[in-house]
Amino acid sequence: DAKTTQPNSMESNEEEPVHLPCNHSTISGTDYIHWYRQLPSQGPEYVIHGLTSNVNNRMASLAIAEDRKSSTLILHRATLRDAAVYYCILRASGTYKYIFGTGTRLKVLA
Amino acid sequence: DVKVTQSSRYLVKRTGEKVFLECVQDMDHENMFWYRQDPGLGLRLIYFSYDVKMKEKGDIPEGYSVSREKKERFSLILESASTNQTSMYLCASQHGGTDTQYFGPGTRLTVL
Repeated sequence: DAKTTQPNSMESNEEEPVHLPCNHSTISGTDYIHWYRQLPSQGPEYVIHGLTSNVNNRMASLAIAEDRKSSTLILHRATLRDAAVYYCILRASGTYKYIFGTGTRLKVLA
Repeated sequence: DVKVTQSSRYLVKRTGEKVFLECVQDMDHENMFWYRQDPGLGLRLIYFSYDVKMKEKGDIPEGYSVSREKKERFSLILESASTNQTSMYLCASQHGGTDTQYFGPGTRLTVL
């Protein structure tokens, strides 16, 4: 199974953009890239996902490298409520199985 | 909104006890999952179910079993709890054919 690598922690100032990187150098052509986040004392919640093209939704943007060996989750304006652990996850096409890494703990400074 | 509920937020059991963790979802989802979350290891899949009475082993099924008698309910069973099963247990559900998993709030189980 392909794995993901993320920095253990990052800090951002409130109302500034945040770029959360993820490396997945062994990704296969049919693996989807998902991002979830886990707020304190809660279960993970879906943020965004993509396969090859960049994706945008109301929560964030996902930028996927051309070779798909890395991706970046972009929060356009961080708020204090965005402080969470962010997980970059791969899911093989045709399976339900997510491969979770250990995530990046994002700290947002007021 | 999808709601996934878990029977307890905190549970303390003794070694050797049989433990039931219950998960209920209200959106008629076909797929349900049990994960455990440990510091430094992230989330690891224990079992998942893609239909009533159907189940598949995840990455760490040893010491666990599951039951899905009704579509909305997925139970995780520890037949004989051990201290190394002290962990946060997370349940998730997913509509078949979609990508989003919806997680419950988790049950923090301590086995003494």
